[in-house]
Formats: sequence, C-alpha cells, structure tokens
Amino acid sequence: DQQVKQNSPSLSVQEGRISILNCDYTNSMFDYFLWYKKYPAEGPTFLISISSIKDKNEDGRFTVFLNKSAKHLSLHIVPSQPGDSAVYFCAARNNAGKSTFGDGTTLTVKP
Amino acid sequence: DTAVSQTPKYLVTQMGNDKSIKCEQNLGHDTMYWYKQDSKKFLKIMFSYNNKELIINETVPNRFSPKSPDKAHLNLHINSLELGDSAVYFCASRRSSGGAGGELFFGEGSRLTVL
Repeated sequence: DQQVKQNSPSLSVQEGRISILNCDYTNSMFDYFLWYKKYPAEGPTFLISISSIKDKNEDGRFTVFLNKSAKHLSLHIVPSQPGDSAVYFCAARNNAGKSTFGDGTTLTVKP
Repeated sequence: DTAVSQTPKYLVTQMGNDKSIKCEQNLGHDTMYWYKQDSKKFLKIMFSYNNKELIINETVPNRFSPKSPDKAHLNLHINSLELGDSAVYFCASRRSSGGAGGELFFGEGSRLTVL
C-alpha cells in the first residue's frame, strides 16, 4: 500500500523553462508535505515544504502547490537550471513525525 | 563539519555475517531515523528514536536491531545478512518541535552489498 506516489519516473526540460513535478497521496491525515532533492552518492536534502492548511508556498525559483481535495501536490521550478538535475522525492509527514516518501522523479535539465 | 555522518560509507560482506552501521548527528536534534533505499530508489522508513526511545518500528525483520546510546547517535545492527538486505541505508535526524517544516537532515548513506 503505497501512500505517496510519483507517477513520472523521469522528466526532461530545457534550461530556462518550467519543470513541474507531481505527487499524489492517499492518506488525509498527513499534516506536512515536503520535497527533497538528491544527487548521486549523496543523501537527500530538503528543498521546500507546505503545511496541509496551505495551498501554496514559494521560495525563490521553487513553488509547491497543494490540492487537498485531489490529494495532489506539485513542485514548480522556474526557470530550470542544469544544476537542478537530480532525483526529487515527495514526502508526506503525519503528526507522529513519520515521513513517507514517493518513488522519486529524475529531473534532467538540458543546457 | 558534517551534520549527519554515517560509517561506513561502503560495506561488502558475505551472507550470514553480522554487521553494524553507525550514525551520529551534531545538530542537537532529538529524533533520529533509519531509512532503506532499495534498487528501485524507494526510500522506506525502518525505525525512529526520539530522545533514545523507539517511537517508530516498521515491519522490519528482527534481524535488524537499532540502538540509540544517546540523542546524538543511532546505530543499526544487522544479524545473519541476506542477499535482499543489499541496499543503501540512510540515517536522518530532525527536531521534533521543528514547527513549520521539521525537515529531515540525511547522512550520505551507507551502501551495503551482501554477496
């Protein structure tokens, strides 16, 4: 029973364009949603988060949108840069502090 | 100065052996985790400790035993290693009263290969 899913294993965009990464979840009890970025041979690093009571959070080039009725969130990166090429993980956290991760989406930004 | 450090980074061993992975964090966090990333990249939680107390224990074989001697350390001991234990194991920490995000800080991972 995979509670957090990222249905696109990979995404390729041109430098300067928008990257949109998607994530779906099934459990209504999650209270925070987070995005992490992972480079090869490194641990994931935190990127941006959103509370379940919000629908948008923006930090520089990164914006996360939450649609609770659809149980869907997305990460927008604009403009995309080659250094953004990495694996992006969506995570959903419950009030016990347990974070459940999606499968990850590999983003490639072409110069 | 690494925030979350794991040792060893690479571990190659034979089936049936017992091995340990150590984790230390210098962030002053009160909660630590072990995650397993298998060949499909999926990050799956295994255990979590808060102030040395086990608070999350997922469906993990009892060959895996976590130990937290203090808030800054969480070690993972694995008995009778099996081929399916081959994976990258990530340690992570967070401040449980972290408010807005309370995000996880991960170590670099320990790649375990069982032959």
